[in-house]
Amino acid sequence: EAGVTQSPTHLIKTRGQQVTLRCSPISGHTSVYWYQQALGLGLQFLLWYDEGEERNRGNFPPRFSGRQFPNYSSELNVNALELEDSALYLCASSSGQRYGYTFGSGTRLTVV
Amino acid sequence: EDQVTQSPEALRLQEGESSSLNCSYTVSGLRGLFWYRQDPGKGPEFLFTLYSAGEEKEKERLKATLTKKESFLHITAPKPEDSATYLCAVQADNYGQNFVFGPGTRLSVLP
Repeated sequence: EAGVTQSPTHLIKTRGQQVTLRCSPISGHTSVYWYQQALGLGLQFLLWYDEGEERNRGNFPPRFSGRQFPNYSSELNVNALELEDSALYLCASSSGQRYGYTFGSGTRLTVV
Repeated sequence: EDQVTQSPEALRLQEGESSSLNCSYTVSGLRGLFWYRQDPGKGPEFLFTLYSAGEEKEKERLKATLTKKESFLHITAPKPEDSATYLCAVQADNYGQNFVFGPGTRLSVLP
C-alpha cells in the first residue's frame, strides 16, 4: 500500500513569490491535514480537508490556503511568501477519528 | 487553556540505559493520545494510540502508558537507532478531528 506522498521534496523561493505544495493521501483516506514545522519548533496545524471541504484551519493568515480534489488529493498554496514561512510542510491522512495520522515525508520550503 | 507539554526537551542516554519520556496534557474530553517518532527531515511515524487511563501498549523496546493527566514512553535498553524526536499528540473533544502536538523530546542514544 502506497503511503502519503508529497511533492516536491525541496523548494527554494524568493520572498513575495507564491508556492503550491501537493499531497496524495493513502488510498481510501478522505481526510487530509496540513502542518507546518519550522526549524526547532513543534508541528503547527494549518488546514484540515475532508470530502472536498475545508473543515478547520489553524491560526495562520489567509495567504495560506488550499483545496482538496475529488480524488482526495490536496494542494496547499502560500501567497506572498515571507522569510518565516521557511519550514517543513507535512501532509497527513487519516481514515477516521480513532486512528492516528499517517504522515508524508514533507516538503522542505526555503524562502530567501 | 488546553496544553500539551513534553519533558525533557532533550535526553542523552548511553546504549542500554533505560529511561522515560513524559507527555502531560490539560484538555477537556480526551479522545486519544498518540505517540510518534520523527527522524530529522522526515515526517512523523506513528507508534501508539492510547485511549483510556491505565492502558498500556508495547512495541519492541518501547512501552507507552496513560494516566488521566499524562503519558509516559518508557524506553528499555535503547540502541543508537532509537535516536529520534518523540512526539505526543492529543485528540480531544474541543479539537474536533484535529490533533494538538507537543513540542517533542529529542532522544540521543550513544553507542
